[in-house]
Order: sequence, then structure tokens, then C-alpha cells
Amino acid sequence: GAGVSQTPSNKVTEKGKYVELRCDPISGHTALYWYRQSLGQGPEFLIYFQGTGAADDSGLPNDRFFAVRPEGSVSTLKIQRTERGDSAVYLCASSSGQGRNEQFFGPGTRLTVL
Amino acid sequence: GDSVTQMEGPVTLSEEAFLTINCTYTATGYPSLFWYVQYPGEGLQLLLKATKADDKGSNKGFEATYRKETTSFHLEKGSVQVSDSAVYFCALGNDYKLSFGAGTTVTVRA
Repeated sequence: GAGVSQTPSNKVTEKGKYVELRCDPISGHTALYWYRQSLGQGPEFLIYFQGTGAADDSGLPNDRFFAVRPEGSVSTLKIQRTERGDSAVYLCASSSGQGRNEQFFGPGTRLTVL
Repeated sequence: GDSVTQMEGPVTLSEEAFLTINCTYTATGYPSLFWYVQYPGEGLQLLLKATKADDKGSNKGFEATYRKETTSFHLEKGSVQVSDSAVYFCALGNDYKLSFGAGTTVTVRA
């Protein structure tokens, strides 16, 4: 079956612009996660959705970052007024149920802010 | 807070050599421990996991044992292949949140 998909695979933008990154989780997975992976580092947790609601957004670095999941499936990570330090690979993962179930990762979106 | 420290790379080995990647953690509660692998050009994949102390996770010839007394989860493989060349991440899971180490790049030469 289809895995987690993310679009676009690459995004180049200019400092100050707004970007949206999309994640399509595995069908039926109620939990969805966003992580950010900077060069040479492991992924860092950003936000966790259970259904439509953000159960934990403690990893979002500041109020320029926002994520939604209006129908409990597809999620969009939105970044306003992008900065060069936002350049990273943004990973999405999904899992069935909640808690300790295995997270399945998408291929990521590489964001470059010039 | 929760954190993971893993052996820095890069690591370069010959085929059939023994591989060890050290991983230690700091956590509250009773976390699960994972090793994820990222092959060139691919996404993160779960390699193995252990959910409680003394559990051993194993997959594709890789093994790791959850050692609570030493807060460690070292990854081992007795005989590596060229196809094992990848970046390996140790991770800790407390409820839904994963905390990752920085990753270790492993290159296996024929």
C-alpha cells in the first residue's frame, strides 16, 4: 500500500516569503507528526496531531510556524516570513492509534531559504 | 528532558566486518528505544525496537539490547554488507514523541 507522501520534495524560497508543506499520511492513520531535520542532525519533533487536533505543538520554534489537519487526514505545515535558519528537511510521519505505535516516515520536503 | 547521544561518524568498514554503533540516552519514565536507518535517497525506516528493559530488538542481522542499568541501546551487526551503507539514528520514544540522536554515517566497502 501507499506510504506517507510529502509535497513538494524540494522547495526553494526567498527570505520573508510564505511556504506551505503538505503531508498525506497512510490511510487510516489517526496520528500525524511533523519533524525538522537540520543538516548533520537527527530529526527534531515539531508537532503531533491526533485526529484533527494538535495534541502537542511544543516543538514549533516560534509563532511563524503553524500546522493544520482540518479533516484528520492531510496536514499542512505553514511557515510565515521565512528565514535562512528555517532551511532544513521537514519530515512527516503517521501512525495508527496513539502512543507507542510505530511511526512511518515520509521522504521529506527539503526547504531552502535564500 | 529526553535526549539521545550516539557515536559520531563517519564509520568506514570492509565487508564482513563487525559493526557497533554506541547509543546512550537520558529519559524520564519508561521509554521505548529504536534504531532507524536512512539509506541513500530514501526516507527513514524503522530498523528495530525494544519496548522495555532487557528486551532485544533484531532485524536484518542487526541487534540491540535495551540496557536500563547503563542507559544504553548499542547497535551491532556481526558481518556487514555493502548494502548496509546508510545513516543510522538511535531514537527514544516517550509516549508519542521521538527524540533522535544526530545519526552515524556508515560506509561499507567491498
